[in-house]
Amino acid sequence: DTGVSQDPRHKITKRGQNVTFRCDPISEHNRLYWYRQTLGQGPEFLTYFQNEAQLEKSRLLSDRFSAERPKGSFSTLEIQRTEQGDSAMYLCASSLASRETNEKLFFGSGTQLSVL
Amino acid sequence: RKEVEQDPGPFNVPEGATVAFNCTYSNSASQSFFWYRQDCRKEPKLLMSVYSSGNEDGRFTAQLNRASQYISLLIRDSKLSDSATYLCVVIPMNYGGSQGNLIFGKGTKLSVKP
Repeated sequence: DTGVSQDPRHKITKRGQNVTFRCDPISEHNRLYWYRQTLGQGPEFLTYFQNEAQLEKSRLLSDRFSAERPKGSFSTLEIQRTEQGDSAMYLCASSLASRETNEKLFFGSGTQLSVL
Repeated sequence: RKEVEQDPGPFNVPEGATVAFNCTYSNSASQSFFWYRQDCRKEPKLLMSVYSSGNEDGRFTAQLNRASQYISLLIRDSKLSDSATYLCVVIPMNYGGSQGNLIFGKGTKLSVKP
């Protein structure tokens, strides 16, 4: 499978615990995005990387959230001291961005986080 | 005003009907536009890009009206399999002139009935 893969698919945790999600993008893609989606809403932007550089972070991303893409390939999203309001689907997407291409995102299946 | 706004629906239509969705955006300097489709409990998938001249892909037609800052999606001869949520996506221009990230609308739910 050469699409975007995310791990785990589901995560149940207790409030106050830390969780980490992983995303493996499509191999030739240079951009990697993290979005969060709750029921009835569209995906909300969290952050994105161009290669290993984190170029933009949303104000939604509190200091409890951190994302890395150390070698410009896979990325991790960590949430520290989880709260019930963090319960959502966390979607990763990748794209090949250039002057010539219209940026099209390819999404992974997401990680569904439930904070009890 | 929200950056990207859509009527959430649901739009309930019979098979074979023609249905249209609109989406408005607030940043007049936005430069790229898309429609994504999201099935229940699945990830969003690109349906089509929206070009200034309008574009068509089979039963689907997308149009952009920059003056009024909206994009539209028209589905002709709707099928049961078209039932999904349709997400409008805009790439705004940042103040520095660089391209911003993709902004999604909340989506419009379509239900096609037999």
